[in-house]
Amino acid sequence: DQQVKQNSPSLSVQEGRISILNCDYTNSMFDYFLWYKKYPAEGPTFLISISSIKDKNEDGRFTVFLNKSAKHLSLHIVPSQPGDSAVYFCAASGNTPLVFGKGTRLSVIA
Amino acid sequence: DADVTQTPRNRITKTGKRIMLECSQTKGHDRMYWYRQDPGLGLRLIYYSFDVKDINKGEISDGYSVSRQAQAKFSLSLESAIPNQTALYFCATSDFPGLAGVGETGELFFGEGSRLTVL
Repeated sequence: DQQVKQNSPSLSVQEGRISILNCDYTNSMFDYFLWYKKYPAEGPTFLISISSIKDKNEDGRFTVFLNKSAKHLSLHIVPSQPGDSAVYFCAASGNTPLVFGKGTRLSVIA
Repeated sequence: DADVTQTPRNRITKTGKRIMLECSQTKGHDRMYWYRQDPGLGLRLIYYSFDVKDINKGEISDGYSVSRQAQAKFSLSLESAIPNQTALYFCATSDFPGLAGVGETGELFFGEGSRLTVL
């Protein structure tokens, strides 16, 4: 059973607009959540994280929101840029190795 | 030079062959991992090691084995490769997590990947 779910395989957004990537999880023991970004032919790279004791974490154009009661988190990218086009993985940890979602491919159209 | 280096980067082999993917890191991290990426399936954990004497199975360990030769080296072996092991393999490292919320991101540092094709 998938513990971390990214239900949208792909998302297209116009340059300058907001990109919202969603992630749901089922394991209530998860207490740390991360987003990774992956370009073709490269390994995933860390983007932003949030602890379960917070509901928001912001880093420049990237903001992650956590709704523990709904077991839902989202990544907001504002404004979106063509260089943001990549696959984004949501990941979660509860004193265990990271569990990843299937990823969402974001395409930012100029 | 990359902090996490995987070799080979690309390999084509035949069914039944033994294959080893190697990973070395210069980050000084104790924890190392092997993940597999398949289209539409995301990243799935194969094996992980929290120190040189520690080996743990992940979600999809069947058909694979690992060896932690040193703190900096963690290799993944396919004893008898089969076509459904065709995938992109990633090695990753992390530091000890420490206390939640105290300077610890839980961040994994990934290598650039090893693309394996089993014919």
